[in-house]
Formats: sequence, structure tokens, C-alpha cells
Amino acid sequence: QSALTQPASVSGSPGQSITISCTGTSSDVGSYNLVSWYQQHPDKAPKLMIYEGSKRPSGVSDRFSGSKSGNTASLTISGLQAEDEADYYCCSYAGSSTYVFGIGTKVTVL
Amino acid sequence: QVQLVESGGGVVQPGGSLRLSCEASGFTFSNSGMHWVRQTPDKGLEWVTFIRYDGSNEYYADSVKGRFTISRDNSKNTLYLQMDSLRAEDTAVYYCAKDRVSGGSFDYWGQGTLVTVSS
Repeated sequence: QSALTQPASVSGSPGQSITISCTGTSSDVGSYNLVSWYQQHPDKAPKLMIYEGSKRPSGVSDRFSGSKSGNTASLTISGLQAEDEADYYCCSYAGSSTYVFGIGTKVTVL
Repeated sequence: QVQLVESGGGVVQPGGSLRLSCEASGFTFSNSGMHWVRQTPDKGLEWVTFIRYDGSNEYYADSVKGRFTISRDNSKNTLYLQMDSLRAEDTAVYYCAKDRVSGGSFDYWGQGTLVTVSS
């Protein structure tokens, strides 16, 4: 199973919106509405930010939103803040109780 | 609150074995599927294995199939990962993660334990 494709880095100024793409195939992203997104700060464990493509867990800011079109999922961060600077990973269910992650995107707040 | 605490990492020679543990608290462990996910600086996060809430089924990534075994002891609220025939490419931080109730994502993660395979 090949890793999902994400841009290596995305940057934006405080208050701006940014979007991170996550491209898979018809065997994973395109087949299931089970894309999740994780935020990871340095030396910390990943944190679930979006599940089932567009749902936010309790406690996650509504500045984070997710969507999907075809084989590509997206995470949008609106009203960018300094604390959003982190690595972001997408993950998709790939059938038969297996999962595939993206390679990760480093978000920089300018 | 949910807590997952991994232990058992360390340095092991190629071909060797290691067993990781993950002690869970703050939720009904026996009702939750559990995963192991690993992370390396160059490859990022990689899903490794999943076990159903009752231990009835296990699933593995191709990269570890036949070498790693996931198990659980619901009486001890503990998840395990037995790693055999270790290779240099298994060097990583290993996280245990709780399966979200509806499946399809990992809603809580431990802090990770480092496994280094080196001679």
C-alpha cells in the first residue's frame, strides 16, 4: 500500500486560510468516507483533528474543516494562528481493517 | 481521562525480538479496538496493526506480516506487540492508539516508545 500524497510544506500568515491536500487512489480515499487528519507538534503524539472526512472531535476548533472530492481529501485551516504551526498527516481506511497514512505536511505560520 | 502508556522499547540487534506493552486507562478497554502505529523521520507515520476489542481478529501491514503479533489482555487493560525477526527498517517510535468507537480513525494516542534495531 503506497502512502497518500501530501505537499511537503504549506505556509500562511496569521489570519489567512490554508488548505492541505491528500491524494490517494480509488482503493482508499476514493472508496471510503473514512479519511482522518492528525496534528503533531514536535516531540508530541499525533492528535485527531478530523474524522470521517469532515467531522470534528469535541474540543477541536471549528477553524479546522475537512472535505473530499474523488480520490483527494483536503484539510482547511481558517484564521491561521501561531499554535497551528505543526505537522499534519492524513490517513485513509484502505479496506480489510487496514489503513494508509500520508507522508505529512509541515505547516508554517509566517 | 484517557491514558495510553507504552513501554518496552530499546535497542535490539537485527534478527532479535522485543515485546512492547501499552497500558490503558480512562475508558472501557475491553470495548475498544486498538492499533499500533509507528513513525520514522523519513517515512512519517505508518499503520502497523489492529486488533478487535475482543481479540477475535488481527490485521497487519504487509511490511510486518509474519514477524509481528498483536495481542491484548482485557483483564489487565493492556495491549501488546511482539516483534520478531527485527530489521533495521523497523527502527521507529511505536505508538499505541485507540480506535474511535465508529472505527476509521485513532482518537487517542500514547506518547510512544522508541525501538532501535542496530548491531
